[in-house]
Amino acid sequence: AQKVTQAQTEISVVEKEDVTLDCVYETRDTTYYLFWYKQPPSGELVFLIRRNSFDEQNEISGRYSWNFQKSTSSFNFTITASQVVDSAVYFCALSEAWQGGKLIFGQGTELSVKP
Amino acid sequence: EAQVTQNPRYLITVTGKKLTVTCSQNMNHEYMSWYRQDPGLGLRQIYYSMNVEVTDKGDVPEGYKVSRKEKRNFPLILESPSPNQTSLYFCASSGGPTSSNTEAFFGQGTRLTVV
Repeated sequence: AQKVTQAQTEISVVEKEDVTLDCVYETRDTTYYLFWYKQPPSGELVFLIRRNSFDEQNEISGRYSWNFQKSTSSFNFTITASQVVDSAVYFCALSEAWQGGKLIFGQGTELSVKP
Repeated sequence: EAQVTQNPRYLITVTGKKLTVTCSQNMNHEYMSWYRQDPGLGLRQIYYSMNVEVTDKGDVPEGYKVSRKEKRNFPLILESPSPNQTSLYFCASSGGPTSSNTEAFFGQGTRLTVV
């Protein structure tokens, strides 16, 4: 069965701190995709990244970086030098190739960055 | 501009009064789905459609109906809403199982309250 677990329900940091959001997934499929979405207080879902199961390279985009490790079934997200605008709920999600576009979401991690 | 448009954004209704939330996408995507978001549960798929006239249940379909008469539209119908359907709803579209791009594009969300 497919499952995504974000064990951290809430995280609170002070501005400029680095913070890592954990994501652990379960799937029996060998071809799958992993995603991170951001949901700011306004409520919309903002796509951040997609990773396929054959690409374990870490990715960096500005202050954001992602660490994909198949050996531990994890896809963690790090924000470097956090800012108040990073305050949001972050969702990790899994999509198995044979299911087309269906996304299995984790429960979400609410990040609060205080000035 | 590629987008998924859902309406209304906010809706307060009474128990038992039929309602429809509309969803339209302009990307010619095959795959469309509806999710509901509840605190602590993340997003869960209600129904999905892999193409015109092809729909199927997701993980939480009870109390909902959908139709896919045209490729671009995928309305969500609540025939007799109940308070436990109070939630934040998202429509999403993606290229589908034959597409190499499984990124899901989300609508802005519909916050539904049933009293």
